Amino acid sequence: DVKVTQSSRYLVKRTGEKVFLECVQDMDHENMFWYRQDPGLGLRLIYFSYDVKMKEKGDIPEGYSVSREKKERFSLILESASTNQTSMYLCASGGGLPTDTQYFGPGTRLTVL
Amino acid sequence: DAKTTQPTSMDCAEGRAANLPCNHSTISGNEYVYWYRQIHSQGPQYIIHGLKNNETNEMASLIITEDRKSSTLILPHATLRDTAVYYCFCFGANNLFFGTGTRLTVIP
Repeated sequence: DVKVTQSSRYLVKRTGEKVFLECVQDMDHENMFWYRQDPGLGLRLIYFSYDVKMKEKGDIPEGYSVSREKKERFSLILESASTNQTSMYLCASGGGLPTDTQYFGPGTRLTVL
Repeated sequence: DAKTTQPTSMDCAEGRAANLPCNHSTISGNEYVYWYRQIHSQGPQYIIHGLKNNETNEMASLIITEDRKSSTLILPHATLRDTAVYYCFCFGANNLFFGTGTRLTVIP
């Protein structure tokens, strides 16, 4: 079974803090994705990566950055957390084609106070 | 990039077929139609996908209209464990937009 794990299920941070969300996949997938999910807005893509050290902006990249130093690990970074970044963050991984199935992690619920 | 529209919510009686519609009128030729579902407090789970032809797997069937502007996900015998939010989206080289989904409630 494909396994995508995220470093925390719940996280509480203060405004202005730097926040790291980590995601690890064990299926040697080329593609990895970060989404946020908010009530009434569904899932929105923040960034994705199709290879080590490669990244592409998604629909809502502002306020976020990413890092992919190893194939299995994709990190989402909030340089200076703000209250409007309180959300559920979901990581996914998938094969080398954009149309390959994505496998999701359990999510991290981030609260920024 | 094709955006999708789905009804906000639907109910289905246990044991009956659940038919979930999705409109994607601006879909382009190289975009696939994907369906995922998300059970409360879990990450989305892949169900099925297709390009032009109808597809069936152990979980569901996907019916895509000939003009590809809409599709229907069919759960042939809904169970209480199928209660979830179902997302339809069109997935091409540059489009990864999920939308808000349909909340399906299976009623005993």
